Amino acid sequence: DAGVTQSPTHLIKTRGQHVTLRCSPISGHKSVSWYQQVLGQGPQFIFQYYEKEERGRGNFPDRFSARQFPNYSSELNVNALLLGDSALYLCASSYVVGGARQETQYFGPGTRLLVL
Amino acid sequence: QQQVKQSPQSLIVQKGGISIINCAYENTAFDYFPWYQQFPGKGPALLIAIRPDVSEKKEGRFTISFNKSAKQFSLHIMDSQPGDSATYFCAATPSYNTDKLIFGTGTRLQVFP
Repeated sequence: DAGVTQSPTHLIKTRGQHVTLRCSPISGHKSVSWYQQVLGQGPQFIFQYYEKEERGRGNFPDRFSARQFPNYSSELNVNALLLGDSALYLCASSYVVGGARQETQYFGPGTRLLVL
Repeated sequence: QQQVKQSPQSLIVQKGGISIINCAYENTAFDYFPWYQQFPGKGPALLIAIRPDVSEKKEGRFTISFNKSAKQFSLHIMDSQPGDSATYFCAATPSYNTDKLIFGTGTRLQVFP
């Protein structure tokens, strides 16, 4: 089975621009989470979506938004990009039954965003 | 209270030696403690995980030791190999139904032949 896939793999943007990152979860996984990993640090939780609804949000500004589609894939949008948004953006999926997590999360390879 | 503190920041071990990475947490609501391995340019990959009702879990050369009263847990890599050279992250998940993982700051492990 394919793992979590993300696109694009790399992206270069300039300050003030907007970016959309995409994620396809493992087949059968209905929960998708997004993390930001700045170089040299651990991933920081941004959002979790389950059954197309937001289930959790980390300490990120409103410039960050996300959504989940009926096929459980997800998009992360970042508006008005800042230099500090340069990071590896990770998507993770997990298998949830009745709202309860059945196993831990599996991460995709990430999208490396560089803001100039 | 949401932090997970990880040490050491970096670790150098000779091939065949034991690598030990430690983590500590404060939030007693955490109920699931995974360890992730990350190679440069890749996403984190689940290595091994433990729940607080178990004091130790072993999978091959990897062992998690968990001390609930001290709110500490550690990863032991036995017979460390050069292929184990990577960054290791401990993490914790709150007990309510969320996939929010709180990660430690990471430990860069280098295993020399």
